[in-house]
Amino acid sequence: DTGVSQNPRHKITKRGQNVTFRCDPISEHNRLYWYRQTLGQGPEFLTYFQNEAQLEKSRLLSDRFSAERPKGSFSTLEIQRTEQGDSAMYLCASSLRPGGGPSSYNEQFFGPGTRLTVL
Amino acid sequence: AQTVTQSQPEMSVQEAETVTLSCTYDTSESDYYLFWYKQPPSRQMILVIRQEAYKQQNATENRFSVNFQKAAKSFSLKISDSQLGDAAMYFCAYRSVAGNQFYFGTGTSLTVIP
Repeated sequence: DTGVSQNPRHKITKRGQNVTFRCDPISEHNRLYWYRQTLGQGPEFLTYFQNEAQLEKSRLLSDRFSAERPKGSFSTLEIQRTEQGDSAMYLCASSLRPGGGPSSYNEQFFGPGTRLTVL
Repeated sequence: AQTVTQSQPEMSVQEAETVTLSCTYDTSESDYYLFWYKQPPSRQMILVIRQEAYKQQNATENRFSVNFQKAAKSFSLKISDSQLGDAAMYFCAYRSVAGNQFYFGTGTSLTVIP
């Protein structure tokens, strides 16, 4: 399977615990994105990487959240001291950096998500 | 910040019929992309169709087409000859050319009735 994969698919944790999610993008994709999706809402942008550099972070990404992409391949998203409000689906997506002009675009491919439940 | 509004939380369509999902957005930018994504239950989100704002011609992908009204900031999705496999959550999304953030609407749940 050459799509975007995410692990684990489901995570149940107790409030206050730390959790870490992993995303493996499509191998040749140099851009990687994290989103959060709560019930009844569309995905909300959290952060994005180009290769190993984290280039943009949403104000939704509190100090308890940290994301890394150490070698420009897979990425991890860690949530420290989880709260019940962190319960959501965490989606990862990857794409190629557009090679053309300002109006060029490369599609984002989404992973299946990691569903986090904080008790 | 850009906002995307989908005013139809749920829609239903008879199999083989046509349905239109609505989307409006708010932006001060002149160049941007608009998307419709499909999210089947417990499955990955996939791109259905994309529209570049500088193009006047409406995008079409097989049974899927859009009605892009730039002045009205409206971007509706028409699904023709609806099939059972079209049942899913549909999200409208906006992305500026210069930025990397996607702004998604709240989604429309489409049911296809056999």
